[in-house]
Amino acid sequence: EAQVTQNPRYLITVTGKKLTVTCSQNMNHEYMSWYRQDPGLGLRQIYYSMNVEVTDKGDVPEGYKVSRKEKRNFPLILESPSPNQTSLYFCASSPKSGTGGWGQYFGPGTRLTVT
Amino acid sequence: KQEVTQIPAALSVPEGENLVLNCSFTDSAIYNLQWFRQDPGKGLTSLLLIQSSQREQTSGRLNASLDKSSGRSTLYIAASQPGDSATYLCAVYGGATNKLIFGTGTLLAVQP
Repeated sequence: EAQVTQNPRYLITVTGKKLTVTCSQNMNHEYMSWYRQDPGLGLRQIYYSMNVEVTDKGDVPEGYKVSRKEKRNFPLILESPSPNQTSLYFCASSPKSGTGGWGQYFGPGTRLTVT
Repeated sequence: KQEVTQIPAALSVPEGENLVLNCSFTDSAIYNLQWFRQDPGKGLTSLLLIQSSQREQTSGRLNASLDKSSGRSTLYIAASQPGDSATYLCAVYGGATNKLIFGTGTLLAVQP
């Protein structure tokens, strides 16, 4: 089954404790992206990757890191989480970026709480 | 800067009614527009994708139209059912930004 998976689905952590949220897709997609969703602010892009070893900042990259060493995986790293990073996080993938003839496929989301 | 607006923010209708959700965007230089459904606390399910060269797309009881020149899209839901209750999001993709820009959604409640 074609899908985007994220782990963990739920996470409660404390300020400053490094964490990684994994994202994997099995569709051989080139483009992958991370979004966060907050009440009243909607979905905002954190980082994106147009292919292996190619990543760039989105609208709200502060406090996050990403890497793209393999085509299928795009982990989101919070080196020192803070309470303002409490949010619902989504990973998404698309066959390619660019002319946009393809839609984006979203993972199920990771609900992160930082205390 | 692209801005996407959805009206109404919330809508409650009785079962069986046909309804229209509206999405407007400020920059017509888009490559595609995508409608999503989101159930509470859940992920996004893609409903319809309209490429910039298309005028509409249909899937079952759903029909989405796109008027790029006026910066508008509508999602038409025929014969609504309680199972259609969810938040509906539209998002536009402009290749230069390599991201989807989302509206804030319409919360739909279909009453049995």
